[in-house]
Formats: sequence, C-alpha cells, structure tokens
Amino acid sequence: GDSVTQMEGPVTLSEEAFLTINCTYTATGYPSLFWYVQYPGEGLQLLLKATKADDKGSNKGFEATYRKETTSFHLEKGSVQVSDSAVYFCALGPQGAQKLVFGQGTRLTINP
Amino acid sequence: EPEVTQTPSHQVTQMGQEVILRCVPISNHLYFYWYRQILGQKVEFLVSFYNNEISEKSEIFDDQFSVERPDGSNFTLKIRSTKLEDSAMYFCASSKLGGHQPQHFGDGTRLSIL
Repeated sequence: GDSVTQMEGPVTLSEEAFLTINCTYTATGYPSLFWYVQYPGEGLQLLLKATKADDKGSNKGFEATYRKETTSFHLEKGSVQVSDSAVYFCALGPQGAQKLVFGQGTRLTINP
Repeated sequence: EPEVTQTPSHQVTQMGQEVILRCVPISNHLYFYWYRQILGQKVEFLVSFYNNEISEKSEIFDDQFSVERPDGSNFTLKIRSTKLEDSAMYFCASSKLGGHQPQHFGDGTRLSIL
C-alpha cells in the first residue's frame, strides 16, 4: 500500500545551517506530495506541496521537488532560523483518494 | 486567518465509556476529516466526510466510530465503548475542495483512556 518514509530524527542544527530532511514514498499512480509543519502545542500546518513530477513546492525559504524517478520529496532550506524548530511531516495524497498518508515526522531543533 | 477549532483540548475518559470529540471546520470548507496520532506513531487517516456522508474511511474506522455534522458548523467524532488503545491525539481537518486541496488542521484533542 501507499507509504511514506522520513529520515529519523531528532535533527539538531545551528542557526544559518543548511537543512535537508529526506522523504521517500511508495504509491501507485500519481500522488500529490506535501510537507506539513507542527509547532509546539499547535496543529499541522501545510508548508508546501507539489502535485506532479518535477514540480517544486516552496514557502518561507523551504523547497522540495517531486522526483518520480527516485520517489522522493526531500525538504531543503538554505539557512535555518531558531523559529524553524518544529516537527516536519512528509505526506502523500494517493491518486483518486481524499486521505493523506503521513511519514513518522522529524523533530528539528535549531540552536542559536 | 480562519482556523479549525477543536474541543476539548484534553479529554480523560474511563474505558468502556462513550466520548464525543468536537470540531468546528473553516466556514466555507466542504470536506472534513479526522486523523489520529498514537504517541510515538504516525498520523493516521480515519475518515473523510463530504455532502453529509462518509466519502472515505480507513480500516481503523470500524463500527466503534461514527461521525456527524449535527448542524451547519460542528463536525463530531464519536467513539463508543472506548478501549485503552484509543488513547491518542485526534486531529480534525477541513478543506475547501477535495482532490488534495490543502487540508487545514486543528490543534488536536488529546484523548486519554483510563
């Protein structure tokens, strides 16, 4: 069935470091791909999305490219800030379905 | 910015009791969802709801669970005869359209079954 695998956390970086959080997926057909972020005590917020192969989603300095050949959707940011500390979830929306399938989440901590 | 609101933020219930979790989706949204996250595990889809009926449900969503839109603003998840393994964070979400339009999530209700 459809599934998402994220890199294990937690991830700890210094401010202004480069961030990559790996995400790979298994799905039939043409799913949509998403990154959600959860700040402490809050719900999940959509960070970015891509709906077809080679699409790049971007928001708040974060980027991810839908790579069908490697079934990946890695999250990147060139220079992280303390305020980026949160849990990041990769998710896919299977073709023809309403649901989202989530990865296990990656906790990111940015130190000043 | 409009948001999805969930109440209560924390619910403690004795095993075997019924519990109702409440959600107010964003007012012009048409699709509603429930997800749950057991501590340390992935966020799992339970059910989606559109046009006053269930449009999709997972294997988790068995006869113990039901959803309802009792009026024009609330969307509820009822769990009958709760079990210890129902302890989890339950998230409500809504979207304006289907087809993987962005889903907006509430802050969740932490359900603890004793």
